Amino acid sequence: DTGVSQDPRHKITKRGQNVTFRCDPISEHNRLYWYRQTLGQGPEFLTYFQNEAQLEKSRLLSDRFSAERPKGSFSTLEIQRTEQGDSAMYLCASSYRPGTGAQFFGPGTRLTVL
Amino acid sequence: DQQVKQNSPSLSVQEGRISILNCDYTNSMFDYFLWYKKYPAEGPTFLISISSIKDKNEDGRFTVFLNKSAKHLSLHIVPSQPGDSAVYFCAASAGAGGTSYGKLTFGQGTILTVHP
Repeated sequence: DTGVSQDPRHKITKRGQNVTFRCDPISEHNRLYWYRQTLGQGPEFLTYFQNEAQLEKSRLLSDRFSAERPKGSFSTLEIQRTEQGDSAMYLCASSYRPGTGAQFFGPGTRLTVL
Repeated sequence: DQQVKQNSPSLSVQEGRISILNCDYTNSMFDYFLWYKKYPAEGPTFLISISSIKDKNEDGRFTVFLNKSAKHLSLHIVPSQPGDSAVYFCAASAGAGGTSYGKLTFGQGTILTVHP
């Protein structure tokens, strides 16, 4: 049983650089979600996809953030011109309908912007 | 605007006793609720969920209670074990037909420590 995987697990970058993260969902799951978690807080919703369609974006997702899910499989989250405030854990989750199954999370990508 | 609140940052319990974690919400549109456990350097792990049409759901040592009139839910762990020590998050979903299929709104988390 392969769970949600994320790559890289850790990323350190300098302010102003672009970074890209990848998420591979559980294979039969058609919905994919991105969340961001900062220290002492719960995860905050960023965006989600159903297959390749991006259905909702949080206002937290500034113009510097873009997410894609080509062909409805893996997804990428890109942050352009990183800022120190972007330092956080970026979490990916996937789920499957029908049923009331939960969202299953990957291990996350820890981003540190220097 | 914190729509899901976990007012206790931490809880300490003796092994074998009951752990009760609490969560309050303000958005009356929430119709599906979940509890997740998180260890350091890992993503959240799903524990148990409940739809708003129910007031109780059990799974082994874990029971979730939902009081819709009070907009309150709780997670009971009986008996508590040292391996249960982790951060626990409650989460809620709205507008997805009583499923977690939509986006989740999380509380801030409660650190549970179970002492041997």
